[in-house]
Amino acid sequence: QKEVEQDPGPLSVPEGAIVSLNCTYSNSAFQYFMWYRQYSRKGPELLMYTYSSGNKEDGRFTAQVDKSSKYISLFIRDSQPSDSATYLCASWGDNDMRFGAGTRLTVKP
Amino acid sequence: DADVTQTPRNRITKTGKRIMLECSQTKGHDRMYWYRQDPGLGLRLIYYSFDVKDINKGEISDGYSVSRQAQAKFSLSLESAIPNQTALYFCATSDSTGGYGYTFGSGTRLTVV
Repeated sequence: QKEVEQDPGPLSVPEGAIVSLNCTYSNSAFQYFMWYRQYSRKGPELLMYTYSSGNKEDGRFTAQVDKSSKYISLFIRDSQPSDSATYLCASWGDNDMRFGAGTRLTVKP
Repeated sequence: DADVTQTPRNRITKTGKRIMLECSQTKGHDRMYWYRQDPGLGLRLIYYSFDVKDINKGEISDGYSVSRQAQAKFSLSLESAIPNQTALYFCATSDSTGGYGYTFGSGTRLTVV
């Protein structure tokens, strides 16, 4: 079992839809949780990080962590075609970073 | 200029050849990492370095070696390239609180034929 599991998709939604991306993790030592966005032929770009449980909002993006269920979520409101990319979740603890395999998202005009 | 620069961007090489991928950063971070990315497998850690004198193997270090020439430079070598090393390679950096996230380069697409 991988330490961070992520549904690879692909996920296709119409423009303006609310997108929900999810991951689960297994290591209780993880304390920080991140979401990265990766466009084709580019490196992953950090969208946001969260410490411990709770929500964090940045514009149209909201990250949510529930440590009791070891569940990580990213919500994208009013999705745009420019949001089409692969989204990677990641968890960090004790100098150990683990990435999910990524979910490919397409937002259709 | 990009914070993390990788060269070359693309490379095709033959089986058995030695190849070096280079990474330089202007973030001022002490920690640097090399990952490979394969479809369906995600990012896997090859080597990491917490400072110039500290180099550690990651989960898939066999067939690879690294050199940390300076705080800002970290190179990855494939001693004798084989076809299953065909992948996308990323260099990344972080400060001492890795939980704040990593900064990635744009990657090197390596093909071994």
